[in-house]
Amino acid sequence: GAGVSQSPSNKVTEKGKDVELRCDPISGHTALYWYRQSLGQGLEFLIYFQGNSAPDKSGLPSDRFSAERTGGSVSTLTIQRTQQEDSAVYLCASSPSLHFNHEQYFGPGTRLTVT
Amino acid sequence: AQSVTQPDIHITVSEGASLELRCNYSYGATPYLFWYVQSPGQGLQLLLKYFSGDTLVQGIKGFEAEFKRSQSSFNLRKPSVHWSDAAEYFCAVGMIKAAGNKLTFGGGTRVLVKP
Repeated sequence: GAGVSQSPSNKVTEKGKDVELRCDPISGHTALYWYRQSLGQGLEFLIYFQGNSAPDKSGLPSDRFSAERTGGSVSTLTIQRTQQEDSAVYLCASSPSLHFNHEQYFGPGTRLTVT
Repeated sequence: AQSVTQPDIHITVSEGASLELRCNYSYGATPYLFWYVQSPGQGLQLLLKYFSGDTLVQGIKGFEAEFKRSQSSFNLRKPSVHWSDAAEYFCAVGMIKAAGNKLTFGGGTRVLVKP
């Protein structure tokens, strides 16, 4: 079956521009997660959704980052006024529920390069 | 705060030899522990997980891991490595939050397999 998909796979943008990263979770998965993988910080948790709701935004690195999820399905991570330190691979994962008994299935990631 | 340490950044092993990847965690409660593998250009794939019960857990691709509470460790092992096991391996701890969960990852260990 279809797994988690992310688009674009690669994105190069100029410093100061806004970018949108998209995640299509596995159908029926109510939980959705965003992580960032960078050389300096390793793999770090950004935000999770239960349905369309994101109860805790404290993992987002700055107020330039925002995320939304609509229809309990697709999620977008938006970075405004991108900075070079935003360069990283952004990973999305989905799961049937929030409980750890259910595996988080990861997408292939979006590699963001800010020049 | 919880943390995960993978002391070895790189490990080189000969094909057919055994492999052990170290993971130490810091967490105030009974941990949910995971090992993920990331092959080049791929997303993260779950190898195995530990929640409770038998401290030796079996996973996919012939991997196993042993939870040792006294040492705060969850080391990953494979008796005989195949060339296809060359990848980066991440240990993770799951933290139950009030309304969800998140994974905290170690820095990863990159495994190179010599013919």
